[in-house]
Amino acid sequence: GAGVSQSPSNKVTEKGKDVELRCDPISGHTALYWYRQSLGQGLEFLIYFQGNSAPDKSGLPSDRFSAERTGGSVSTLTIQRTQQEDSAVYLCASSYQELVVDTQYFGPGTRLTVL
Amino acid sequence: GNSVTQMEGPVTLSEEAFLTINCTYTATGYPSLFWYVQYPGEGLQLLLKATKADDKGSNKGFEATYRKETTSFHLEKGSVQVSDSAVYFCALRNTGNQFYFGTGTSLTVIP
Repeated sequence: GAGVSQSPSNKVTEKGKDVELRCDPISGHTALYWYRQSLGQGLEFLIYFQGNSAPDKSGLPSDRFSAERTGGSVSTLTIQRTQQEDSAVYLCASSYQELVVDTQYFGPGTRLTVL
Repeated sequence: GNSVTQMEGPVTLSEEAFLTINCTYTATGYPSLFWYVQYPGEGLQLLLKATKADDKGSNKGFEATYRKETTSFHLEKGSVQVSDSAVYFCALRNTGNQFYFGTGTSLTVIP
């Protein structure tokens, strides 16, 4: 079946502009994560959605970052007033476990470049 | 807090050599441990996992044992192949379903 998809695959923007990154999880998956992978760094947790529960936003680096998940499916990560240090690959992952998240299925990522 | 520290790369090995990639962790509670792999041009995918102490995860000839006493989850393979060339990430999941990843270790296997 279809895996996790993300769009766009690449995004180049100017400093100060807002960007929206989209994630389509695997159908039926209740858990959805966003990560950031900067050059030479590991994956940095940003936000976690699980079913209808309030999202875990503890990883968001600043109030310029926000995310929503509509209808328990598609998620959008928004970065306002982008800065050069926001340049990274943004990864989305989903999982079908209701209570305990086990295996995550990753999308191909969106490479964001802020000029 | 929670964190994962893994061996820095890059690692270059000849085909059929023995592979070890070290991974140690710091966690509160009883985490589950994972190795993810990212092949060139592909997304991250689960390689193996272990959910409790002394469990051994295995897949595609790779193994890792959850060692609570040394807080380690080292990845091993007895005989690597060129097709194993990839970036390997160690990760833990805490009781709050948060995942913490290491920085990744790049492996190149030469014929």
